[in-house]
Amino acid sequence: EAGVTQFPSHSVIEKGQTVTLRCDPISGHDNLYWYRRVMGKEIKFLLHFVKESKQDESGMPNNRFLAERTGGTYSTLKVQPAELEDSGVYFCASSQAVWGYTFGSGTRLTVV
Amino acid sequence: AQSVTQLGSHVSVSEGALVLLRCNYSSSVPPYLFWYVQYPNQGLQLLLKYTSAATLVKGINGFEAEFKKSETSFHLTKPSAHMSDAAEYFCAVSPYFGNEKLTFGTGTRLTIIP
Repeated sequence: EAGVTQFPSHSVIEKGQTVTLRCDPISGHDNLYWYRRVMGKEIKFLLHFVKESKQDESGMPNNRFLAERTGGTYSTLKVQPAELEDSGVYFCASSQAVWGYTFGSGTRLTVV
Repeated sequence: AQSVTQLGSHVSVSEGALVLLRCNYSSSVPPYLFWYVQYPNQGLQLLLKYTSAATLVKGINGFEAEFKKSETSFHLTKPSAHMSDAAEYFCAVSPYFGNEKLTFGTGTRLTIIP
């Protein structure tokens, strides 16, 4: 079974630009999560999709972040415009059963 | 509100020595606790989880953790460190069974000295 795929693996953009991160969950997994780790700090929850619906988006930092999940399959996380403090590693995870998280390898975003 | 504290952002142990990574939690309800590991250039992998059954939980790769309610701790141990254990380890807590939103600690990077 293919795992959770995230791309790009690395992205370096200038402040003010737009970046879109993509996550392909494991096929058939209804639950999809986004987390972020800012350098040296804890991994923080951003949001949770169940199929195409946002179940919990309490962790989204501000309205510069927009997450979508097309047809309940892959998800994108867009940052527009990017700020320096958005730099970090963005993790995606998917699950079907409770406690059945599978994490992707993450996207390292650097805003300069 | 839930929180997790991992004491020691960096821990070094000699190969063959005991590994002890500390995790303390704060929770207003009985928690569900997890340890994840991240190897270089890989995603987070579940090592073990506590879901209110046995207080001593065994995980993969020879790791285990003991839930101690009186100490609000969930420390991770391994009797004998191996070079392949070098990675970053994260403790996490969730308040409800079925609520998969995780609160993570800041992580502990484990270095193994040959």
